[in-house]
Amino acid sequence: NAGVTQTPKFRVLKTGQSMTLLCAQDMNHEYMYWYRQDPGMGLRLIHYSVGEGTTAKGEVPDGYNVSRLKKQNFLLGLESAAPSQTSVYFCASSYYSVGGYTFGSGTRLTVV
Amino acid sequence: QQQVKQSPQSLIVQKGGISIINCAYENTAFDYFPWYQQFPGKGPALLIAIRPDVSEKKEGRFTISFNKSAKQFSLHIMDSQPGDSATYFCAAGYGQNFVFGPGTRLSVLP
Repeated sequence: NAGVTQTPKFRVLKTGQSMTLLCAQDMNHEYMYWYRQDPGMGLRLIHYSVGEGTTAKGEVPDGYNVSRLKKQNFLLGLESAAPSQTSVYFCASSYYSVGGYTFGSGTRLTVV
Repeated sequence: QQQVKQSPQSLIVQKGGISIINCAYENTAFDYFPWYQQFPGKGPALLIAIRPDVSEKKEGRFTISFNKSAKQFSLHIMDSQPGDSATYFCAAGYGQNFVFGPGTRLSVLP
């Protein structure tokens, strides 16, 4: 039982490049989330999904897009990376709308 | 109304001591208050959580105290161990509307 798996674990991008972060969960969770973690700022919600085919904006959605074509996968895209997007990105999932999240181990992204 | 304040920013405790981390929220609509533990290089993991209909919840050495009128809640780690050294995040929210505190880095000295 892998839980929540994020790929890649590390990535360095040049300003203006694009990339996709993949999140996969094997717990049959309905809800999935993308957070970014910056020093001293805790976790901030980027986008979330309440089920296959649905997405919604969180607190800091600008510069990111997401897709949830399959229930088990939640993709986070950066179309034109900026240095301000240097962060650690965490995917999480949950079965209920309110409750504890299961987090992945994170993707450390550096934009130079 | 969406902010969750957390203190202290860092905490050093001797082995066997009590670690206390405090959080305060503003939105009275919040109805779920979890604490997460995060080790370096890992994602946060749910440690313990409480709903506002109880004032205290205990799981092993970890206890949440909740004061609804003051809009405050705290995490107490009894008999703190070096293996408890991690960053702790409080969170508050309802539905998908969750806000995390900035985190407390706990170091337990052997």
